[in-house]
Amino acid sequence: DIQLTQSPSSLSASVGDRVTITCRASQTISSYLNWYQQKPGKAPKLLVYAASSLQSGVPSRFSGSGSGTDFSLSISSLQPEDFATYYCQQSYSYPRTFGQGTKVEFK
Amino acid sequence: EVQLVESGGGLVQPGRSLKLSCAASGFTFGDYAMHWVRQAPGKGLEWVSGISWDSGSIAYVDSVKGRFTISRDNAKNSQYLQMNSLRPEDTAFYYCAKGRQRFGELVPFDYWGQGTLVTVSS
Repeated sequence: DIQLTQSPSSLSASVGDRVTITCRASQTISSYLNWYQQKPGKAPKLLVYAASSLQSGVPSRFSGSGSGTDFSLSISSLQPEDFATYYCQQSYSYPRTFGQGTKVEFK
Repeated sequence: EVQLVESGGGLVQPGRSLKLSCAASGFTFGDYAMHWVRQAPGKGLEWVSGISWDSGSIAYVDSVKGRFTISRDNAKNSQYLQMNSLRPEDTAFYYCAKGRQRFGELVPFDYWGQGTLVTVSS
């Protein structure tokens, strides 16, 4: 199984900050890496797919990059509605796996 | 508007069975792979099972192999998860999720249901 390791597990930031979350895969997954946002009590929401493609309707302050084993999700200017937990996920092979999550909290 | 509505969750004793359903609308259900993802309370996301658009490809996470069965009925725009021999560690919210691309397999999940809670306890 492909393991995904996110870092950090949590971070504190302020509105307007630039935030970057990384995701490392245990083996190469080409660009089959996706990012989701989840708010408490809600279903996850797809933000970025295929490492760097923005899902329709997602604000342009979100961006993804990487290929192979190392990936990142960046938020250029954190907004109040961005405080949430973020998960990476690989769609390269079965079983599909998720990272452990990164909680973005208000500083 | 795409909608996925799960049902069938509840409280069940260890060793018993439960069947989850996911009713889909707003898209051509038969063209898309579907998945089940679960989340134990306060924990992270875990993919459980997936089924291709034509049921020709089915996969499970190791921890449910031999106990859970995924299926779909394209005529009824629905997918299902039959869960047998349930264990306390199966307690979680179970989400139905749709593959993003028509006939695609190596794709993310672009729509999710609201989730249904399964609690396995005596």
